Amino acid sequence: NAGVTQTPKFQVLKTGQSMTLQCAQDMNHEYMSWYRQDPGMGLRLIHYSVGAGITDQGEVPNGYNVSRSTTEDFPLRLLSAAPSQTSVYFCASRPRENEKLFFGSGTQLSVL
Amino acid sequence: AQRVTQPEKLLSVFKGAPVELKCNYSYSGSPELFWYVQYSRQRLQLLLRHISRESIKGFTADLNKGETSFHLKKPFAQEEDSAMYYCALRAYNFNKFYFGSGTKLNVKP
Repeated sequence: NAGVTQTPKFQVLKTGQSMTLQCAQDMNHEYMSWYRQDPGMGLRLIHYSVGAGITDQGEVPNGYNVSRSTTEDFPLRLLSAAPSQTSVYFCASRPRENEKLFFGSGTQLSVL
Repeated sequence: AQRVTQPEKLLSVFKGAPVELKCNYSYSGSPELFWYVQYSRQRLQLLLRHISRESIKGFTADLNKGETSFHLKKPFAQEEDSAMYYCALRAYNFNKFYFGSGTKLNVKP
């Protein structure tokens, strides 16, 4: 099993550009989530989903959109990138019956 | 509001020395607490959870509700313990996890 797969691993954007960070899991997990990791601030929850068609906001949702059309995929969209969104992004999933989070390898995003 | 505090950004100890990584939390309900670890060039992964009351790789953590703490301890540190450690709290609705800012543990030979 691949687990949680994130693409791309690295990305450089210009201010105002849009892009989608991809996250896919092959473990049939109901719960999926996106975090950003910034120095000195740990991981902060952006958005999460408890199943296909259901999404909700985390701590820092502004500037990001998500959708969950399938159990496997949970893409994160930046509609108009800003330098403040420069960060490392992690996707994580877990099964309903277990609180253990499974993380992807991360996407390092730089917005110039 | 939920909050997880890890006061030390960096902790350096010598091999064989005891290590304690501090974690304090604020939460109005009954907390569920975890320690996650990220070794160099590896993914973030669960180390242990307070519910299990288990010892993983020699690490233990006890939930102290009176002091609202969940410190991670190991009596004899090993070089392979060098990593980034995150304390995390799961909120009452079970869908939100809150992470501390992390502590980098450096175990020197």
